[in-house]
Amino acid sequence: DTGVSQDPRHKITKRGQNVTFRCDPISEHNRLYWYRQTLGQGPEFLTYFQNEAQLEKSRLLSDRFSAERPKGSFSTLEIQRTEQGDSAMYLCASSLSTGHFSNQPQHFGDGTRLSIL
Amino acid sequence: QQQVKQSPQSLIVQKGGIPIINCAYENTAFDYFPWYQQFPGKGPALLIAIRPDVSEKKEGRFTISFNKSAKQFSLHIMDSQPGDSATYFCAAWRGSARQLTFGSGTQLTVLP
Repeated sequence: DTGVSQDPRHKITKRGQNVTFRCDPISEHNRLYWYRQTLGQGPEFLTYFQNEAQLEKSRLLSDRFSAERPKGSFSTLEIQRTEQGDSAMYLCASSLSTGHFSNQPQHFGDGTRLSIL
Repeated sequence: QQQVKQSPQSLIVQKGGIPIINCAYENTAFDYFPWYQQFPGKGPALLIAIRPDVSEKKEGRFTISFNKSAKQFSLHIMDSQPGDSATYFCAAWRGSARQLTFGSGTQLTVLP
């Protein structure tokens, strides 16, 4: 079990630049989730995929954000024209989709910390 | 809109003490209530979870107490150790929407 892997771990960029993060879920997990976590707060749901289909998007996911999971394996989250308020930890989680949550807990990666200068 | 309210924000106990973290929710559509532990620089890790039709669940030193009528639940850590020092998040799962809503977290410090 290699766990959920996220890359890069840290990203520093200037305001207005585009950034892309990658998430590799646990191999047999068909659900993949993105969350955003700001300092001193709990993670906030952004979006989730079942296989390659994006099934739910939060109102937090503005038009500048786009997520893809082209082959139902890894996923990317892109932020265009970054703003100061985008500074946060972006977390990815994956799970199975069989049965209740108790049988399909979400396993989190260690996140990508984004800092906007 | 904070759907899961968590308190206290921070907590300091001596080794061997029993820290208690409390959470409250409003949305009756939530159908599972997990607790996560997060260390600095790491992602949250599932600690223990409870269904709303159960009033208490124990796993090792961790116990969840659940009060469905009051829409409140709490985490107790028995015989706390310095290694338990971390941030703890309660959460609520809404299966119909496949969404997990987190509380704002409690930073626990266990003094040696």
